[in-house]
Amino acid sequence: AQKITQTQPGMFVQEKEAVTLDCTYDTSDPSYGLFWYKQPSSGEMIFLIYQGSYDQQNATEGRYSLNFQKARKSANLVISASQLGDSAMYFCAMRDIGNQFYFGTGTSLTVIP
Amino acid sequence: EPEVTQTPSHQVTQMGQEVILRCVPISNHLYFYWYRQILGQKVEFLVSFYNNEISEKSEIFDDQFSVERPDGSNFTLKIRSTKLEDSAMYFCASWQSGATYEQYFGPGTRLTVT
Repeated sequence: AQKITQTQPGMFVQEKEAVTLDCTYDTSDPSYGLFWYKQPSSGEMIFLIYQGSYDQQNATEGRYSLNFQKARKSANLVISASQLGDSAMYFCAMRDIGNQFYFGTGTSLTVIP
Repeated sequence: EPEVTQTPSHQVTQMGQEVILRCVPISNHLYFYWYRQILGQKVEFLVSFYNNEISEKSEIFDDQFSVERPDGSNFTLKIRSTKLEDSAMYFCASWQSGATYEQYFGPGTRLTVT
């Protein structure tokens, strides 16, 4: 069964605008972690942000924030003030209680000047 | 900053040959992972390794795959008899566990099977 779902294969955003990348997850574990990674065209996986299932507040890291809605099982990534360098693939991932990581299919973000 | 390293960065091999992909995880990390990413597709979990043994493996990780930690630093993925469909980027990752949460990825090895 699909554990992580990213329904947006591609997104476009104007430079300096904000964009939301969607992610929903499926687990019955009481404890889990949610992650977002960026993969630029060079191929490396860059960690962006983490949200623990017990965290009360939404995670923020600079221009990245994670909109965590536990009841809806969603963990959307919000990028504020988009920059040209934000153009990349973005993967949502989950670590389950057994310390296994599951990745979504990714969203390709293109920032338009 | 500590980093995971992988060698080689690119490996070309003929179908049926054996390949060994090497990784040096971060030294105090406890969990090690191999992932595969076919070009343009999602990152797929292959196997996790903890306490010197496989803790989980996916359906992809069949008998042609094996992992080893031959010494205190290296973590290897062996593909015994490569197939064309094994062509992909292979990522190694390590995780400390406990209070830290970030899984550190290596730069990947691009495997091309001809």
